[in-house]
Amino acid sequence: DADVTQTPRNRITKTGKRIMLECSQTKGHDRMYWYRQDPGLGLRLIYYSFDVKDINKGEISDGYSVSRQAQAKFSLSLESAIPNQTALYFCATSAAAGVRNQPQHFGDGTRLSIL
Amino acid sequence: AQKVTQAQTEISVVEKEDVTLDCVYETRDTTYYLFWYKQPPSGELVFLIRRNSFDEQNEISGRYSWNFQKSTSSFNFTITASQVVDSAVYFCALSGGLNNAGNMLTFGGGTRLMVKP
Repeated sequence: DADVTQTPRNRITKTGKRIMLECSQTKGHDRMYWYRQDPGLGLRLIYYSFDVKDINKGEISDGYSVSRQAQAKFSLSLESAIPNQTALYFCATSAAAGVRNQPQHFGDGTRLSIL
Repeated sequence: AQKVTQAQTEISVVEKEDVTLDCVYETRDTTYYLFWYKQPPSGELVFLIRRNSFDEQNEISGRYSWNFQKSTSSFNFTITASQVVDSAVYFCALSGGLNNAGNMLTFGGGTRLMVKP
């Protein structure tokens, strides 16, 4: 079983719809992240969370919201999807500050298309 | 602000050739970490290596090697005797140290490597 699981893996939806992408992990990591990947731009950070009570905006948070329901779960929502949010979305986890700058572990990605 | 530049957007080689992927970074942090990730056609991101700013020793892992040069702010990745299975997009990433709250990564735009048989 994957350590970082994203659902769904693929989603096609229409403009204006509310979308939720879910991420769960079995690595026991405190820190979780959401990124989006666009061609030629690499991955850009949307939101991150250092523990259940901590939520922080990343580089491109506009149009997105997140919820950290438990240590193992971190969901990303698009309240009213628009076509330029079509992208590949990644969830990632990492260990806490005691082992700072340990590598992030990524899920397999969610391919989201908004028509 | 941090920045990672991978100037080569796409590279095509024939199997068994050596290939070097370039990565240049910018940061004001004196302590920082550099990473390489591989994204095969299936889409997942695979961690390859982490390097901290105090360790300029080159590293070799099988056919993979990394050359970290602080003087030129570069962290280049070489694949020796490339194979078709090396075909992927490769990302270089940077994480600041003291001034970066946690492990947040700044990614380069990626280099698509195509290895032809």
